[in-house]
Amino acid sequence: SQQGEEDPQALSIQEGENATMNCSYKTSINNLQWYRQNSGRGLVHLILIRSNEREKHSGRLRVTLDTSKKSSSLLITASRAADTASYFCATDSWGKFQFGAGTQVVVTP
Amino acid sequence: DTEVTQTPKHLVMGMTNKKSLKCEQHMGHRAMYWYKQKAKKPPELMFVYSYEKLSINESVPSRFSPECPNSSLLNLHLHALQPEDSALYLCASSRRLGVKETQYFGPGTRLLVL
Repeated sequence: SQQGEEDPQALSIQEGENATMNCSYKTSINNLQWYRQNSGRGLVHLILIRSNEREKHSGRLRVTLDTSKKSSSLLITASRAADTASYFCATDSWGKFQFGAGTQVVVTP
Repeated sequence: DTEVTQTPKHLVMGMTNKKSLKCEQHMGHRAMYWYKQKAKKPPELMFVYSYEKLSINESVPSRFSPECPNSSLLNLHLHALQPEDSALYLCASSRRLGVKETQYFGPGTRLLVL
């Protein structure tokens, strides 16, 4: 069964705009990670946020985590065409990964 | 070396064939994973190996048989597959099985079962 639910399912924006996607989960977690997948390829790790952290930054990425609401958000600032990909959250419950449904992001020049 | 490699990249097989997928990493990771991913769906965990021992089997049909011959290699043996098994098969590794570990993914093997 799927642990994480993501919304929106798809997002279309123009270069320079910000992209925000959300992930909700059901059970307690140790950490939450965000991955990116280009069409038909492997997943690339973007960022990990621990259960005792509330916000984390990495370059143009900002991740928040609200354990009371069991939700996380990923913000990509100043998007580029190269950011076009599917983005997945993954919850880690004692070593067992479960991925959310993913958000497909299309950035047009 | 931070790479997980998978071979072959593409595989077409009939329902009576026997084939194997291979995964290799040289990062010294002691946990390795197989995932199955259907189009426009998230990856689904199939198997987890920790220190070359099967740690998690997510009730995968016996026509999929994993093997971890050493700490760098992970195989997935396929036999008598069904067309619905067509998918992208992803291998991943992490330093160890546990919390706060990042998984590193290979590019996947795209499997088509005819």
